[in-house]
Parts: sequence; C-alpha cells; structure tokens
Amino acid sequence: DADVTQTPRNRITKTGKRIMLECSQTKGHDRMYWYRQDPGLGLRLIYYSFDVKDINKGEISDGYSVSRQAQAKFSLSLESAIPNQTALYFCATSDDRGAVLTFGAGSRLTVL
Amino acid sequence: AQSVTQLDSQVPVFEEAPVELRCNYSSSVSVYLFWYVQYPNQGLQLLLKYLSGSTLVESINGFEAEFNKSQTSFHLRKPSVHISDTAEYFCAVRGSGNTGKLIFGQGTTLQVKP
Repeated sequence: DADVTQTPRNRITKTGKRIMLECSQTKGHDRMYWYRQDPGLGLRLIYYSFDVKDINKGEISDGYSVSRQAQAKFSLSLESAIPNQTALYFCATSDDRGAVLTFGAGSRLTVL
Repeated sequence: AQSVTQLDSQVPVFEEAPVELRCNYSSSVSVYLFWYVQYPNQGLQLLLKYLSGSTLVESINGFEAEFNKSQTSFHLRKPSVHISDTAEYFCAVRGSGNTGKLIFGQGTTLQVKP
C-alpha cells in the first residue's frame, strides 16, 4: 500500500457542487499538506497542518477548507466548486523536521 | 519569505547528452533546497536535497546539484541523460527554521529524445 493515499484519483463535477478530496497516510507523520498543481505555475500550497489541532492557510486558501480528522487523515473541501479550481491536487506529509515531503499520487479535479 | 525561479520551462535534449536545469532562489534566511521529480501520471518524488554540509549533493541515478550561496542557485546537472529521465523537475526551497513551508518553482520539463 502507498504511504500516502488520495481519493478520488479523478473527479469531474459541475460548478457549484461541493467536493471533498481525502488523504490518508501510514507514515506516522504529524505534518500534512495540500498543494495544487497547474501547468506553468508549479505547486502552490493551499493549507497545511502541523498536528491535529494546528491548521494553517497557505498561499491560495480562498475557496477551500480543510479538516484534520486524525493524525493520519487530512481532507480538502471545495464548498462551491468553480471552473478555475480545475487542477491536479496533491496531498503530502512530512516528519516534525519538515525537511522532506512524501507525496500522494494526486487527485485530478475537473470543474465544468 | 522565500521564492524559487526555474529559468527554463522546457529543456529538450538528446539521449546521452549532458543537461543542466537551472534554479535560483531568494531568501533572507538560511535555506534547505530540494529537487523533486514527477514522472508522467505520478506524484512527486524527492530526487536530492541540500540541508547542510557539502554543497554538492548527488542522487542515486546520476543527478547532482550544487548549492551556490553567493549566486543563490541550486542547478541540477547530469552528465549523460537517458530516455527514462524524461519527466518534470521541480526545485523547492524552505527556510531552515522548524516552521518553514516548502515553496516550489514553476517546474522544468526535461524531454529526452532518442
């Protein structure tokens, strides 16, 4: 099994719908992250969590929310999806030093 | 705050030729530097990292990068590329403090041609 598992891997939805992307990890790491990848823009940080009670906004958090249900689970929600949220979303984890990230395989979201 | 600039969006090269992927960063504090690789339809994997010590770091598949503090660069090099090196490469930086976040560059697509 993968160290970091993202579900769903692919999702097509319509404008205005609520969407949740889920992430679970078996690394035992406290730190978890959500990134968004767009062509030509690299990866941009949406939210990050250093432990279950510590959640922080990244550089592009508008239109997104997160929930850290447990040490191993970190979900990303789009309350009302819009087309410019079409992107590839990555979850990642790191240890307390935070020096190296382990990524999931990604969730491709298309908003029509 | 930190930022990263990858100077080339695409680098086409023939198999067995040398390659350099350029990365410059800006930061007001000491940094950690990374190269991640993304093969088609996969997530990102760590290729190599500089945390401290020797400024020249190497990966297991023949890539190397050199931390140059005066030029604020961390260019990635390989003396002879293979078709299997075709991928997107991301340079990333974070402050060496414990609360630092990883900031990525825009990515460079390496296209190795036969």
